Amino acid sequence: SAVISQKPSRDICQRGTSLTIQCQVDSQVTMMFWYRQQPGQSLTLIATANQGSEATYESGFVIDKFPISRPNLTFSTLTVSNMSPEDSSIYLCSVAGPGGGGYNEQFFGPGTRLTVL
Amino acid sequence: KNEVEQSPQNLTAQEGEFITINCSYSVGISALHWLQQHPGGGIVSLFMLSSGKKKHGRLIATINIQEKHSSLHITASHPRDSAVYICAVSRRGGGGGADGLTFGKGTHLIIQP
Repeated sequence: SAVISQKPSRDICQRGTSLTIQCQVDSQVTMMFWYRQQPGQSLTLIATANQGSEATYESGFVIDKFPISRPNLTFSTLTVSNMSPEDSSIYLCSVAGPGGGGYNEQFFGPGTRLTVL
Repeated sequence: KNEVEQSPQNLTAQEGEFITINCSYSVGISALHWLQQHPGGGIVSLFMLSSGKKKHGRLIATINIQEKHSSLHITASHPRDSAVYICAVSRRGGGGGADGLTFGKGTHLIIQP
């Protein structure tokens, strides 16, 4: 398994500002993902963070709003830009275990609870 | 229609009861995942299935690929099992590498002493 930490664990931010969330893994992993869980909703995949190339975004999510960095195989950041109250969510990063293909158990960070006023 | 449907959405049971949570999906998958989310938000992977059945302690997960259906069972339920249980799928055809997951809405389970 992989141990994942996220910073910050929670934050309260003002409308129009940006917040960068960090995700650190205790081992090198190929695949890292960022998810959002809005209040009372299921998780939604924002993007796949690719090392050495641009992130791959899901429909409805764009790089200008959610820029992602992946400088190495153990670290990634997600920035929530120009925030509005609708961005209030839990943001989680996850990594996939080894094995290749889609047959990978996924491990989740503890999440960052963001409230936008 | 959501690609991953769970039932029931909410379930309250007495300690010791046998619990079943169902998941149906409508897309081609390479694997199905059962996850547990506690009130603090942390998510733990319980099972990953591509066929058949898996057992871990009091938890059993089954999948029927032909019917696109999976079930999670909890035997001898206990109050500490109270959590949200989430079904998620890895879509097939992602071109190699792990795929991000598509999630059901979760089942809120409360086990009363």
